[in-house]
This record gives sequence, C-alpha cells and structure tokens, in this order.
Amino acid sequence: EPEVTQTPSHQVTQMGQEVILRCVPISNHLYFYWYRQILGQKVEFLVSFYNNEISEKSEIFDDQFSVERPDGSNFTLKIRSTKLEDSAMYFCASSEASGRVDTQYFGPGTRLTVL
Amino acid sequence: DQQVKQNSPSLSVQEGRISILNCDYTNSMFDYFLWYKKYPAEGPTFLISISSIKDKNEDGRFTVFLNKSAKHLSLHIVPSQPGDSAVYFCAASFGDAGNMLTFGGGTRLMVKP
Repeated sequence: EPEVTQTPSHQVTQMGQEVILRCVPISNHLYFYWYRQILGQKVEFLVSFYNNEISEKSEIFDDQFSVERPDGSNFTLKIRSTKLEDSAMYFCASSEASGRVDTQYFGPGTRLTVL
Repeated sequence: DQQVKQNSPSLSVQEGRISILNCDYTNSMFDYFLWYKKYPAEGPTFLISISSIKDKNEDGRFTVFLNKSAKHLSLHIVPSQPGDSAVYFCAASFGDAGNMLTFGGGTRLMVKP
C-alpha cells in the first residue's frame, strides 16, 4: 500500500540553525501538507501546497518557514532559524484531491528537537 | 480556538465490548469529518470519514455517526480488540481539496483483554 515517508525520523539542532525536513508524498497525490504537534498539544496545520505554490497557511507558518517541491517526488519544510518552541513532531501529509471530499494521509513524522 | 473538541482524554473498554469515542465541533461550516488513529512515535493513520450529507458511515468494525444539529460525531468500534488501543483523533475540514484539517485533542483508548 502506498504511504507517505519522512526523513529523518529525529533531528536535533541548535537554536538559530536551519533545518530541512523531507517528505515523499504518495505518488499520484497532488496536494501536500505540513502539520506539527508540540508535545501534549493538538496536531496543528502549518501549510498546504498545490501546483508548486502555497494554497493555504496558518499563523504559525511565518517568515521563518518555507516549503518547496524541489523535484517530482520530494516535498520539504525548511525552518531558517530554529527556536526552542519549534521543538515538535512534524507530520507531512498528502491527498489525491479528487472529488469534493479529500482524505489526507500522514507520514510517520520527524521529531525535531531544538537545543 | 477550540473548534473541534474531544472531551474525554481517555477511555477504557473490555475486549469484545463497544468503544464509543465522541467529538464536538463549533464551526457549522465544517462539512467533512475524519477519524485518525495514532500509535506512539507514528503518524496519524486514517480510519474512516463522513461527509456532512450523511449521518452514518460504516467500515467493518468502525462506524461513524454524525449529528449535524448537535454538531457532534462519534466513532463506534465493535467489537473492540486490544490492538485498537491507541490515541484517536477526530478532525474536520471544509471538504474541498487542499483545505486544512482542524484536529481535536485526542482520546486515548485502552482495550483490556
């Protein structure tokens, strides 16, 4: 069964450093998403991406964040200058975008620890 | 912002019995609802969904009920199995492709043998 994959599974970085989280969405999917879950809190939407541009973003997704689809398979989330409060699980998701209802499928997550 | 709420942080059920997980929402513009199951150190796994034009959707042991007037949905698992022990999240969206999901806080289900 096709699945979303994410690398690395765990990333440790120093405050102020740049990190890039990588995702390979399901191959025939057209919409891509990033969510995060801070320990003990809800899963929160960050950004959605379609046709090589951001389609929607939340207040969390400020200028420190960017997304890119550098080739036909990868989808990346970059945090330019990490802060302690960026420590969280980051989940990538993708959806087929067929029809009016749209189910998002999630990857296993990357645990980001900012020291 | 508590647009989607799961008021029970945990639920314990005996194997073979029914598990009922509840979810409430406040935004009447939501028209597509999903349930995800999550094990520790894994991503949310899609279980079942329902569109607002329906009041029930069934898939094997899992049934989701939607009460639009009450802005309430529930997930029934029958019969419950120990492998169902996980955190269950409900999520809501405006339905169109590319729309964000708004998640509830999750309910930890423990199914005892």
